[in-house]
Amino acid sequence: GAVVSQHPSRVICKSGTSVKIECRSLDFQATTMFWYRQFPKKSLMLMATSNEGSKATYEQGVEKDKFLINHASLTLSTLTVTSAHPEDSSFYICSARENNQPQHFGDGTRLSIL
Amino acid sequence: LAKTTQPISMDSYEGQEVNITCSHNNIATNDYITWYQQFPSQGPRFIIQGYKTKVTNEVASLFIPADRKSSTLSLPRGSLSDTAVYYCLVEAGGYNKLIFGAGTRLAVHP
Repeated sequence: GAVVSQHPSRVICKSGTSVKIECRSLDFQATTMFWYRQFPKKSLMLMATSNEGSKATYEQGVEKDKFLINHASLTLSTLTVTSAHPEDSSFYICSARENNQPQHFGDGTRLSIL
Repeated sequence: LAKTTQPISMDSYEGQEVNITCSHNNIATNDYITWYQQFPSQGPRFIIQGYKTKVTNEVASLFIPADRKSSTLSLPRGSLSDTAVYYCLVEAGGYNKLIFGAGTRLAVHP
């Protein structure tokens, strides 16, 4: 149980492209979803928290117009990296939780901007 | 949010018990302690969660002393496949966010 599916697993695209990453909870209702970013050999950095049907809460220093988050249903959240540039290249990971249960993570999306 | 401190790295050998300790001196009354494991290029995987005393599941045990200012993750028999980064996190019961520390990079050797 508690499976979180993240898609795509890898994206390579040109600078200026917008990229959408999907995060789905397959067997539970994700009342809250989280988006993280991770650089090589570094820890996960929380970008934003989203509750179903509400606007996402962004961490300090994360541009909300750059990283658009939508949590339209209890099983799906999307992160759109708008007009991506090389400095946006990173490993993006989502997680989801149902009420006060532990968070469960997707397998991440490796984004490479050329 | 309670801050956690773990060793940066640890080495162990196959078949040996592995114990990773985490300190969380300012843990609050309603905080839980959760451990995650992460392999390269994968998302973290939930290992175990506890509030006090001892919790055991099929992969690990979690020991929490009475003052709850630290916790120890125990892997009973280390295997090569346990080589990973382990994160100790403290979160309030409810909907709070997780803030990851640096984690412990465990290497299990033959």
